[in-house]
Amino acid sequence: NAGVTQTPKFQVLKTGQSMTLQCAQDMNHNSMYWYRQDPGMGLRLIYYSASEGTTDKGEVPNGYNVSRLNKREFSLRLESAAPSQTSVYFCASSPREGRQPQHFGDGTRLSIL
Amino acid sequence: DQQVKQNSPSLSVQEGRISILNCDYTNSMFDYFLWYKKYPAEGPTFLISISSIKDKNEDGRFTVFLNKSAKHLSLHIVPSQPGDSAVYFCAAPAWGTNAGKSTFGDGTTLTVKP
Repeated sequence: NAGVTQTPKFQVLKTGQSMTLQCAQDMNHNSMYWYRQDPGMGLRLIYYSASEGTTDKGEVPNGYNVSRLNKREFSLRLESAAPSQTSVYFCASSPREGRQPQHFGDGTRLSIL
Repeated sequence: DQQVKQNSPSLSVQEGRISILNCDYTNSMFDYFLWYKKYPAEGPTFLISISSIKDKNEDGRFTVFLNKSAKHLSLHIVPSQPGDSAVYFCAAPAWGTNAGKSTFGDGTTLTVKP
């Protein structure tokens, strides 16, 4: 009963490096989301995908790209990492967008040196 | 401008007593609210929700109250248990073409003392 699985759980990068955070859900949900959480703050939406084949910007999309690979998988890419992107990243999914509880993965803790 | 605010970063209560967590919002277009609970090193989990057509929703020890005129909602936990110690977030989804965009408060850390 995996739910939402994020890999990796931890990562340290140097400024300028690139990496892709992976997310997969096994609940047959249509909508998927990427958030970041900085210390003492709530979750801020980076990008979301309302359904397979669509992606939309959230509140803080700059410096990120996403790919909805198929219904199960939604990846987040940092092309040129910056120290300001040090954060905890959460992936979530829901049956559809809007008034639906979201199911979250356990996060990826990313440090950019 | 933060549209969903949780003005108390932390709350400490004694086991068995009531915990009241508060959330204020600024946009009267919000018509649905959710509460999530988050333990350290885990993702948030859904706790309870409320639609603006109601002013109260109850699920076991958890009750959410909505005061639309004051743009205020609160989560009551009765009785509080040590296992309730966690960070609690309120959230409000947007609507229409932006329905995928949810706004989260900054969270309130609840500590329940045995």
